[in-house]
Amino acid sequence: DIQMTQSPSSLSASVGDRVTITCRASRNIIGFLNWYQQKPGKTPNLLIYGASTLQSGVPSRFTGSGSGTDFTLTISSLQPEDFATYYCQQSHTAPLTFGGGTKVES
Amino acid sequence: EVQLVQSGGGLVQVGGSLRLSCAASGFIFSDYWMGWVRQAPGKGLEWVANLRQDGNDKFYADSVKGRFTISRDNARNSLLLQMNSLSVEDTAVYYCVRDKVVGASLFDSWGRGTLVTVSS
Repeated sequence: DIQMTQSPSSLSASVGDRVTITCRASRNIIGFLNWYQQKPGKTPNLLIYGASTLQSGVPSRFTGSGSGTDFTLTISSLQPEDFATYYCQQSHTAPLTFGGGTKVES
Repeated sequence: EVQLVQSGGGLVQVGGSLRLSCAASGFIFSDYWMGWVRQAPGKGLEWVANLRQDGNDKFYADSVKGRFTISRDNARNSLLLQMNSLSVEDTAVYYCVRDKVVGASLFDSWGRGTLVTVSS
């Protein structure tokens, strides 16, 4: 199975900060990497797919980059509604696997 | 508007069975792969299973293979998950999910989730 490792597992940030979350795959997944946001008590929401394509309706302050084994999710200017947990997920090979999550808190 | 309305779930004893249902609307159900993702209390996301549009190809996580069965009824726009031989480790919120692109295995729509609690 492909292991997905996110770092950090949590981070503290303030509104307006630039936030970067990394996700590393245990082997090459090319660009088959997706990012989800989950707010407390809510359903996960697809943010970015194919490593860098923004899902419709997602603000442009979210960007994804990377290929192969190393990927990054960046929030250019953190907004109050962005405090949440973020998960990466590889869709290259079954079984599909998620990272452990990164909690962004104030 | 895409809607995935889940039902089923609840409390069951170890070794018992449950069936989860997901009623889809707002899109052409038979055009999409569908699946299930779960989340244990306070934990991360875990893919459980998914299947093709026609229901003929099914894929399972190793942790549920042989115990869970995913199926669909395209005439009724419904997705099912039959869960047998449940263990405490299966306790989780189960989400019905839609695959954004055929076979892409990325999930653009999620049901609200249904809690399954397996008690010893």
